[in-house]
Amino acid sequence: KQEVTQIPAALSVPEGENLVLNCSFTDSAIYNLQWFRQDPGKGLTSLLLIQSSQREQTSGRLNASLDKSSGRSTLYIAASQPGDSATYLCAVKIRGQGNLIFGKGTKLSVKP
Amino acid sequence: NAGVTQTPKFQVLKTGQSMTLQCAQDMNHEYMSWYRQDPGMGLRLIHYSVGAGITDQGEVPNGYNVSRSTTEDFPLRLLSAAPSQTSVYFCASSLSGRSGTDTQYFGPGTRLTVL
Repeated sequence: KQEVTQIPAALSVPEGENLVLNCSFTDSAIYNLQWFRQDPGKGLTSLLLIQSSQREQTSGRLNASLDKSSGRSTLYIAASQPGDSATYLCAVKIRGQGNLIFGKGTKLSVKP
Repeated sequence: NAGVTQTPKFQVLKTGQSMTLQCAQDMNHEYMSWYRQDPGMGLRLIHYSVGAGITDQGEVPNGYNVSRSTTEDFPLRLLSAAPSQTSVYFCASSLSGRSGTDTQYFGPGTRLTVL
C-alpha cells in the first residue's frame, strides 16, 4: 500500500531564507508527483507536477525534484516571503486507477 | 471556465439526516473524485469515477454513495449522517486518471458539521 510521508510537519523561518520541504513515498509505481499549496480554510492549488520520467520542475522561486528510485521528492523555495505561509501537500498519483495519495502536509510560517 | 465548483460551502446536519454534496466541473474531465480532510489524517479518498457511469470506492467509502450520470457532475450522498462524518469535503477532477501529465484541480470545499 502506497504511503506518503512529509517531514517536517511544521516549519518556521525568517523572511528571505531558502528552505526545503521533504516528501517520501513507499511505492515507485507512480504516474507523477504533485505539490499543492493550501491556505487556511481554502482548497488546494497545484504548484508543480513532476512526471515519473522527469527529475525536476521549476516555477518561479519553486523547484521540485523527484528521485523515484529512492522514493523521495523535495520542494525548494528560494528567498521565502510571508506570502508563502501556507500548508504544502505532496501527493503521488498511483498507477492503475490514477488516484492521488497525499501526505499530511508541512505547515510553513515565514516571519517578516 | 468556472473550474470545479462545490455546493454548499457550509452545512450543519443532525445525526441521521441525509444530504447530497454537489460537485461540478466544466473542463470536460473524465476523472473525478471526492476526498475528506480531517486534522491529523490528511486527505483521504472516499469515491472516484473514471468516466460517466463508472464509479469505484476509495479508502473510506462507508456511509457515502456516489453516481456519475454525466461527465460534468459527481454528487456525494451521505445516507445517514454521523458525527464521525464531520469534516471538510473536497471534490477534484483531472483530464484522465491514467496520465502522468495532467494536474488535479480541486474545488473550494464543503465544511460539514454533524451534531
